[in-house]
Amino acid sequence: EAGVAQSPRYKIIEKRQSVAFWCNPISGHATLYWYQQILGQGPKLLIQFQNNGVVDDSQLPKDRFSAERLKGVDSTLKIQPAKLEDSAVYLCASSFRSGGLQETQYFGPGTRLLVL
Amino acid sequence: GDSVTQMEGPVTLSEEAFLTINCTYTATGYPSLFWYVQYPGEGLQLLLKATKADDKGSNKGFEATYRKETTSFHLEKGSVQVSDSAVYFCAPSSSGGSYIPTFGRGTSLIVHP
Repeated sequence: EAGVAQSPRYKIIEKRQSVAFWCNPISGHATLYWYQQILGQGPKLLIQFQNNGVVDDSQLPKDRFSAERLKGVDSTLKIQPAKLEDSAVYLCASSFRSGGLQETQYFGPGTRLLVL
Repeated sequence: GDSVTQMEGPVTLSEEAFLTINCTYTATGYPSLFWYVQYPGEGLQLLLKATKADDKGSNKGFEATYRKETTSFHLEKGSVQVSDSAVYFCAPSSSGGSYIPTFGRGTSLIVHP
């Protein structure tokens, strides 16, 4: 079974530029998550989708971050414009059903972003 | 909101030593509890989980017991190997509405021969 795919793996941009990350979850997984992991910290949930609907985006900085999952499969996370403090690893994860308490999340390898 | 406290690392051990990584949490309701591991250069992966009080999750020689009375979920292994060197994350879920895990800061484990 193929795992969660993410691209690019690495990205270096200058502040105020825009960047987009792509995620393809495990086939058949209804729920998709985007996390931000700053160096030395645990992952922090940015947004959770179930199929193509947003379940939770309370921690997404909506003035600069946006995400979509139009067809309920792959997803794109965008930052526009980027700030220095956005330097982090952006992780995508998916789970099979509705994201219930016992659901296991499967993580992609992440995209490492450096903002200069 | 939910929070997690993990022991600070790095934890440095010799091969075959006993490992304990402490984790305590605060969460609303009755969370499920997870340990995730991140090996060098790889993504996070589930190590083990427990979904109710006194349950013991186990995998690859690691164990953790859901202690509701002390709100703890300490990770243990009787004999570590060099290949266990990684960062370990404790992550309780919330019990209200959708599943939203709260990850600890992670504990780095370094095992040397």
